Amino acid sequence: DAKTTQPPSMDCAEGRAANLPCNHSTISGNEYVYWYRQIHSQGPQYIIHGLKNNETNEMASLIITEDRKSSTLILPHATLRDTAVYYCIVRVDGDSWGKLQFGAGTQVVVTP
Amino acid sequence: ETGVTQTPRHLVMGMTNKKSLKCEQHLGHNAMYWYKQSAKKPLELMFVYNFKEQTENNSVPSRFSPECPNSSHLFLHLHTLQPEDSALYLCASSQDSGNTIYFGEGSWLTVV
Repeated sequence: DAKTTQPPSMDCAEGRAANLPCNHSTISGNEYVYWYRQIHSQGPQYIIHGLKNNETNEMASLIITEDRKSSTLILPHATLRDTAVYYCIVRVDGDSWGKLQFGAGTQVVVTP
Repeated sequence: ETGVTQTPRHLVMGMTNKKSLKCEQHLGHNAMYWYKQSAKKPLELMFVYNFKEQTENNSVPSRFSPECPNSSHLFLHLHTLQPEDSALYLCASSQDSGNTIYFGEGSWLTVV
């Protein structure tokens, strides 16, 4: 069973913020939310992860709701190079990656 | 530049050939992974190595033979492959098998 639900696709205008939702209503207390993206023909790229507090780094911000049942990845100023498939994954820190599925993700297209 | 380098980036091989994919990580990690990504399918974990020892084999056919001579290098030896083995093969590494995983750019394999 999928542990996360993401919209299959979304468009975003260049220069605007891109808000990518992820639903993880069955998340347990020790599961982190991870985000990766995969630009066409390349390997997945780690973006950010968090447990319950909001997180920010040079690539993006991660907003996790208080009940932790959903989260939003924010790309503050989308560029054409942000066009990619974005994956939301929940994972117990320390668990083997072998147990996880990356799923179908959200295809984000940034347009001029 | 992700710190995980894969060569070659593209490989075309016949079904009777023997070839190898190489992965090198410059991150000081001790866990390394091989994933397969076929067209329009999710990532599939193939093998996990931790401190040079294979810790996971996801029921991969024996025509794929991994080798991990040290914590920085990982090979995938290929022999008598089938056309359906054509895919993007991704190497990844992490500090211990439970931490954030970082991917290489991938090797595109075409079996003819």
